[in-house]
Amino acid sequence: QKEVEQDPGPLSVPEGAIVSLNCTYSNSAFQYFMWYRQYSRKGPELLMYTYSSGNKEDGRFTAQVDKSSKYISLFIRDSQPSDSATYLCAMSAGAGGTSYGKLTFGQGTILTVHP
Amino acid sequence: EAGVAQSPRYKIIEKRQSVAFWCNPISGHATLYWYQQILGQGPKLLIQFQNNGVVDDSQLPKDRFSAERLKGVDSTLKIQPAKLEDSAVYLCASSLAPTGGREQFFGPGTRLTVL
Repeated sequence: QKEVEQDPGPLSVPEGAIVSLNCTYSNSAFQYFMWYRQYSRKGPELLMYTYSSGNKEDGRFTAQVDKSSKYISLFIRDSQPSDSATYLCAMSAGAGGTSYGKLTFGQGTILTVHP
Repeated sequence: EAGVAQSPRYKIIEKRQSVAFWCNPISGHATLYWYQQILGQGPKLLIQFQNNGVVDDSQLPKDRFSAERLKGVDSTLKIQPAKLEDSAVYLCASSLAPTGGREQFFGPGTRLTVL
């Protein structure tokens, strides 16, 4: 079983749709949860960062973390063609953990938003 | 602020040949990471440096891969000899410190094809 599982999609939605991306994980030591966006032939760039459980909103993006269920989500409202990319969830352990600072990534979900 | 620089951007080699990749992190970033991203998968950490010391190389295939970070700035990753399964994008990332979920900044990657 992989430490982090992410549905690879691909996911195709019309412009303006609400997009939901999800990851599950098995390592209870994970404390930091991130979403990275990766455009074709580019390196990943940080989109959202959350510590422990809860919600975080930034413009059209909302990240949710449910540590009790070991489940994280990213919602994109009013999706735009420019949102077309691969979305990667990533996690790392807290201070003192054996994996502190090390990111464990999901497989990535390919999203296409068509006009 | 200049980003993480990597070279070359693309490399094609025959199996059993050797290859080296170079990374220049963001100025002042003490922590440097090398990731391997196989097509359709998320990045996998190969090695993490703190200044010029190795913090984590548990997933580095040490029989063929080596990495160094002389003077705590630039880094090189070498593969010798290369295998077909080494075909992937090699991403370099840097951060101010290995502080859990603090942002890691990624370079554009080196796309390696082993024939």
